[in-house]
Amino acid sequence: RKEVEQDPGPFNVPEGATVAFNCTYSNSASQSFFWYRQDCRKEPKLLMSVYSSGNEDGRFTAQLNRASQYISLLIRDSKLSDSATYLCVVNPLGVNTGKLIFGQGTTLQVKP
Amino acid sequence: DAGVTQSPTHLIKTRGQQVTLRCSPKSGHDTVSWYQQALGQGPQFIFQYYEEEERQRGNFPDRFSGHQFPNYSSELNVNALLLGDSALYLCASNRGQGVEQYFGPGTRLTVT
Repeated sequence: RKEVEQDPGPFNVPEGATVAFNCTYSNSASQSFFWYRQDCRKEPKLLMSVYSSGNEDGRFTAQLNRASQYISLLIRDSKLSDSATYLCVVNPLGVNTGKLIFGQGTTLQVKP
Repeated sequence: DAGVTQSPTHLIKTRGQQVTLRCSPKSGHDTVSWYQQALGQGPQFIFQYYEEEERQRGNFPDRFSGHQFPNYSSELNVNALLLGDSALYLCASNRGQGVEQYFGPGTRLTVT
């Protein structure tokens, strides 16, 4: 079983749609969680950290369910510029010991 | 405020050769991590350097080695290159115990 699993997609949605990505992780002791965005042939960029209470940044909402070892990202009112690969990321030890574990990524294509 | 920089941008090497990739962390950051990203996959953790020492290592062979300099910049060295080493090599930096890592643009290595 992979340490972090994501549905690779692709997700093809029209502009204005709401889309949700899910991710599961295997290490129940994991402490820190993130969503990164990666555009084609570019570096990953931190989109948002994910907290137990859930957090929202504009059109983006992230949720964490520790009991189910499940992380989600919701994008509302999708824009063409949201087209990218979204990477679910886990830091198993919390404090920075470096090893971020990435999922395979979920590809989103927003169409006009 | 300069972000993470990496050099070179692209590199083509032949099997069996050796390569050195370079990274300068974001201003104010003292910790550097290296990742390998194969096409269609999420980044895989290679190792992390802090205070000029390797702090943690992923599942990569000893052909992969690194170094951190007093100014916090870092090098990744790969010996005896294999075709399978062709990938995007990403450097990420963070400060102290901060868990959020910021990535450079990467070096795309092609081994022929």
